Amino acid sequence: AQSVTQLGSHVSVSEGALVLLRCNYSSSVPPYLFWYVQYPNQGLQLLLKYTSAATLVKGINGFEAEFKKSETSFHLTKPSAHMSDAAEYFCAVSDTGGFKTIFGAGTRLFVKA
Amino acid sequence: NAGVMQNPRHLVRRRGQEARLRCSPMKGHSHVYWYRQLPEEGLKFMVYLQKENIIDESGMPKERFSAEFPKEGPSILRIQQVVRGDSAAYFCASSPDSSYNSPLHFGNGTRLTVT
Repeated sequence: AQSVTQLGSHVSVSEGALVLLRCNYSSSVPPYLFWYVQYPNQGLQLLLKYTSAATLVKGINGFEAEFKKSETSFHLTKPSAHMSDAAEYFCAVSDTGGFKTIFGAGTRLFVKA
Repeated sequence: NAGVMQNPRHLVRRRGQEARLRCSPMKGHSHVYWYRQLPEEGLKFMVYLQKENIIDESGMPKERFSAEFPKEGPSILRIQQVVRGDSAAYFCASSPDSSYNSPLHFGNGTRLTVT
């Protein structure tokens, strides 16, 4: 069965600092992994996705994530945080065993001036 | 190029009433998913539908909840005899196919409040 664990429900960084949001997954078959972002009162938007083509995936707004099979992780990073990055971020997994995408509980990112 | 459209954005119902949430998928998308979001709990899968078919309803409560996606018109999530615990944000997402690597396109959600 698929599952996703996001470590830290809240993360706070200063503007210009590194952003690191952690995600670990569980899947019985090679997974497809996603990061989504949600701004207040909106739906989720895709940031990036991993589909086995390359372990380092670049997404929109300067975010990237690295797939590490040995650690079953797919952490999201951004070298320099911007105020506009403040939002909630969701890691998600799907695989060939099912039809649905499973989401983590989310990590709310706060960016301090 | 309209995205996923959900209405209403906000819905208030008294306990015992019925709630109907509507979702029109993106143009060209025939696969619809409903998720429920509670504070601090992320998104919980409810149901996956294709036109006129329910493919996976493993996340739907067995009672009071139903979903449909007719040949014509939007997908409907129906909650009968609502209770306070049904208060949540309900999100609809669509995709062009059932491929597991197709990202989901989300609507802005319907926020249901049960008084």
